Parts: sequence; structure tokens; C-alpha cells
Amino acid sequence: DTGVSQNPRHKITKRGQNVTFRCDPISEHNRLYWYRQTLGQGPEFLTYFQNEAQLEKSRLLSDRFSAERPKGSFSTLEIQRTEQGDSAMYLCASSRNQMSPSPPEYFGPGTRLLVL
Amino acid sequence: EDKVVQSPLSLVVHEGDTVTLNCSYEVTNFRSLLWYKQEKKAPTFLFMLTSSGIEKKSGRLSSILDKKELFSILNITATQTGDSAIYLCAVEAYYGGATNKLIFGTGTLLAVQP
Repeated sequence: DTGVSQNPRHKITKRGQNVTFRCDPISEHNRLYWYRQTLGQGPEFLTYFQNEAQLEKSRLLSDRFSAERPKGSFSTLEIQRTEQGDSAMYLCASSRNQMSPSPPEYFGPGTRLLVL
Repeated sequence: EDKVVQSPLSLVVHEGDTVTLNCSYEVTNFRSLLWYKQEKKAPTFLFMLTSSGIEKKSGRLSSILDKKELFSILNITATQTGDSAIYLCAVEAYYGGATNKLIFGTGTLLAVQP
């Protein structure tokens, strides 16, 4: 499977714990995005990388959230001191640095987080 | 503030019906409009629209964009139970440099009954 992969697929944690998610984008894609989706809502943009550089962060991304893409390949999203409001599906997407009319973002299967 | 609004929020039809899903947007630096289908997992890409008035078709699905009136529609003809899903509309907006991002609507939940 050469699509975007995410691990873990599900995570249940207690409030106050730290969690880390991983995303492996499609190999030739140098753009990587994190989105968050809560029940009944469309995905909301969190942050964006081009190669290893984090070029944009949404104001939704509080200081408890940090994302890295150290070698420009896989990315991690860490949430510190989780709160119940962090419960959501965390989606990763990747795309080429492209000018062609191909879909700009291919989504991974998501990591579903439940904070108890 | 950039926003994407979809209607209806939910829709229940019978197999064989034709449905039209609506998406309107207010985005400062529009680049493209995309439709996704979301079942139990991540959204899967359906269409990308950049030009007004040009219909895109894929089987029983078709979509068109009106950049003057700032909306798009997604049509599904001869619906099947497998079409049951959330249909997400997203607008790709340009924010300067190399940064584009998708602004999603809340989706339309379509349920097709046998």
C-alpha cells in the first residue's frame, strides 16, 4: 500500500497524559498536513509542512500541541496534558509540491483519539 | 473569515433517486474547490474544480462550479446504498508563499435506503 499511513489507528488515554501520533506520507510528496475532525464537523486545518519546515500553524494548535517532520519524510503530532476536548479524529494528508491539477491532498486513515 | 457552507446537512433518499448537494463559499484567495466522500475513514477524493461552468463527471457523479455566484453542486444520479456517506466540500485557498490549505464545510450526510 503506497498511500498515506497513520499510527496508531485508535488511542484511548486518560486526561493529563501525553500522546504522540505518527504519519507516513506518500513517498514522493513533500507537503504534509495535519487536520482534526470532530463528530459532525468537517476537518479543520492544524498545521502544514513543506519538507521539514513547518510553514503554518492554525490558532487551533495550542501550546500543548507540537508537530515535527525532522527529515522531511514522516511527521509526528504530540499532544501534551491531554484534555477531553482533544478527543477527535486526527487526519494526516500529503501532496506533491505541484502545479498540476491533481488532487492536492491524499488523506491517511486517521488516528481516533479518545480522552477519558 | 473564510468559510464553506454545505446544504442540506442531511438527506435521506431511496435507491434510484437523484440527489443534488450544495456548497457555497466565501474565500479570499480561491484556488480550487474539491469534493470528497467520507465513509467510516478518511475522506476520499472525488472531484477538483477550478473553472466555472465546466462539468466534471465520474460515473453517476457529476459536479460543476460557479465562481461568480460562489457555489458548487454535486449530483448523484440513480443512487445506490453504497453512495451512503458524508460528502465534504472543501475550498483550497492560497495564503501566500507555498502555503495552500483546505477549508472544509461540515458535510452533507446522505443516506440511501433500499
